[in-house]
Amino acid sequence: GAVVSQHPSWVICKSGTSVKIECRSLDFQATTMFWYRQFPKQSLMLMATSNEGSKATYEQGVEKDKFLINHASLTLSTLTVTSAHPEDSSFYICSARPLTSGGQETQYFGPGTRLLVL
Amino acid sequence: QQQVKQSPQSLIVQKGGISIINCAYENTAFDYFPWYQQFPGKGPALLIAIRPDVSEKKEGRFTISFNKSAKQFSLHIMDSQPGDSATYFCAASMGGNEKLTFGTGTRLTIIP
Repeated sequence: GAVVSQHPSWVICKSGTSVKIECRSLDFQATTMFWYRQFPKQSLMLMATSNEGSKATYEQGVEKDKFLINHASLTLSTLTVTSAHPEDSSFYICSARPLTSGGQETQYFGPGTRLLVL
Repeated sequence: QQQVKQSPQSLIVQKGGISIINCAYENTAFDYFPWYQQFPGKGPALLIAIRPDVSEKKEGRFTISFNKSAKQFSLHIMDSQPGDSATYFCAASMGGNEKLTFGTGTRLTIIP
């Protein structure tokens, strides 16, 4: 149980284009989903928290107009990197917190999406 | 105040040995402490978690030891196996606030 998927698993795009990454909770409903960014050999950096049906909360320093987050349902959140540039190349990981979990803070992570902007 | 400090940065342990990774925190409002295991190119997977009301939690070969007064917690991997070679992250969060604050990670290598 508690499986989170991401699509695509990797994407290569040209500079200036937009890329959409999907995060789905497959066997549970998630009131809250999180988006992280991870550079090689570094820790996870929280980008934003999204709650179903409301606007995402972005962490300090994260451009909300560049990283658009939509949490349209209890099982799907999307991250769109708009006008991507090479410095946006990174490993993007989502996580989801089940609607009903024994420990309220439990987060389950997706497998990640590797983005390479040329 | 929000930091979680993790050590060591990298660790090499012989097969069958005990791997120990330590974390320390400053914010006494943290009340949930999970450990995640991450393999290259994959997302982190929840390994084990503890709350401050207990000093130790064991699941199979994995044990968390928690010292509330010292604001420290550690992960012990008993009988370490080559398949345990991965990066381990400790994390912490506050009740009612779901954001996780991650440690910097420990790259564990188990050698035969």
